[in-house]
Amino acid sequence: DGGITQSPKYLFRKEGQNVTLSCEQNLNHDAMYWYRQDPGQGLRLIYYSQIVNDFQKGDIAEGYSVSREKKESFPLTVTSAQKNPTAFYLCASSIRGAVDTQYFGPGTRLTVL
Amino acid sequence: DAKTTQPTSMDCAEGRAANLPCNHSTISGNEYVYWYRQIHSQGPQYIIHGLKNNETNEMASLIITEDRKSSTLILPHATLRDTAVYYCIVRTRNTGNQFYFGTGTSLTVIP
Repeated sequence: DGGITQSPKYLFRKEGQNVTLSCEQNLNHDAMYWYRQDPGQGLRLIYYSQIVNDFQKGDIAEGYSVSREKKESFPLTVTSAQKNPTAFYLCASSIRGAVDTQYFGPGTRLTVL
Repeated sequence: DAKTTQPTSMDCAEGRAANLPCNHSTISGNEYVYWYRQIHSQGPQYIIHGLKNNETNEMASLIITEDRKSSTLILPHATLRDTAVYYCIVRTRNTGNQFYFGTGTSLTVIP
């Protein structure tokens, strides 16, 4: 089956710890994205990558870091510098070039205690 | 990217057509209209997109006005599983491939 997977579905961490969220896609898409969603709100872009070994900050990149060493993978690290890390995190991917439609994974709900 | 305006919430009777409006009065000629929906605690699901012509697929129809300043997403026979938040997004290719999601319309399908 082709698609985007995010793991785990639910994640709990203590305050002050870094945590890495996984995002994998087997759609052969060039571009990948990370969004954050808070209760009752829309999505906000954290980071995006249009090609391997390259990524750009979105609107709310502070306190987050990413890497793009492989086309299929775009992990997001929530660092201790992120003041309000508890949120629903969504990963998406798209074919770069044409007017691209983004396809989303199921999301990871992170709770920092 | 152009800003969109959607009603906060709507109800629709099961089996009837759900018509979800979206205003995008500042849309420019190279911006597409996209619709996504999000069921609670899941990732957004792509529904349909268009530039200026009306579009139809297995999920929905998209009607764009001639001046392109507004559009309507039509779910022809709403079911309970269509209860979700529906997002209308306009975007060009020249914005770093970002999608700007607002707060959308919360559609409730009533039995």
